[in-house]
Amino acid sequence: KAGVTQTPRYLIKTRGQQVTLSCSPISGHRSVSWYQQTPGQGLQFLFEYFSETQRNKGNFPGRFSGRQFSNSRSEMNVSTLELGDSALYLCASSAGTGWGNTIYFGEGSWLTVV
Amino acid sequence: SQQGEEDPQALSIQEGENATMNCSYKTSINNLQWYRQNSGRGLVHLILIRSNEREKHSGRLRVTLDTSKKSSSLLITASRAADTASYFCATDGTSGSRLTFGEGTQLTVNP
Repeated sequence: KAGVTQTPRYLIKTRGQQVTLSCSPISGHRSVSWYQQTPGQGLQFLFEYFSETQRNKGNFPGRFSGRQFSNSRSEMNVSTLELGDSALYLCASSAGTGWGNTIYFGEGSWLTVV
Repeated sequence: SQQGEEDPQALSIQEGENATMNCSYKTSINNLQWYRQNSGRGLVHLILIRSNEREKHSGRLRVTLDTSKKSSSLLITASRAADTASYFCATDGTSGSRLTFGEGTQLTVNP
C-alpha cells in the first residue's frame, strides 16, 4: 500500500507569490492534516480535513488555507508568501478522525521563500 | 506552542547500547504517538500508546506511559547506526487528529 504522497518535494518561491502543495493520503484514509515544521517553532498543526470538511484549524493567519477533494486528496495554499513561511510542510493521513487513529506522515514539501 | 518537552534534547551513544528518551506533556491525553524523523525527511510512525496502557513493545522499541506524571519514555535497545534520527512524541487532546509535538530528541548512534 502506498504511503502518503506529497508534491512537490522542493520548491522556491519569491516573497508575495502564492504556492499550492498537494497531498495524496493512504488509500482508504479519509482524514488529512497539514503541519508546518521550522527550526524555531518546531512542528505545528495547520488544519485537518475529513470528508471534504475542515474539522480543525491551527493558529495560523488566513493566508494559509486548504481543501479536500471527494477522493480525499488535499491541497494547501499559502498566499502572499513571507520569508518566515520557509519551512517543511508535512501532510498526514489517518483512516478516521478523532482519537485512537494512527496518523501517518508523508515526506514533506520543502518550501523556500526568497 | 509545543505541548511538552523531550529530554534529553540530544543523545549520543555507541552502537549496541540502549537509548532512552523521555517526553513530558501538559494536558490530559487520549493517546500518545512516537515518531522518528531522519534529517530532511518526513515522520515515520513508531508506536501509538493509549492512555489506559502503561507499556507497549514493538521490535527493539519499548514505550511506557505514566499519565499521573504526564510523561512517556521511548527505549531503543541494541541501537544501530541506522537509528540515528530525531525522535518526537506527539499527543492528542481536545481533538484526536490534531497532534501536539514535543521539541524532539536528536539521537546519534556512533558505529
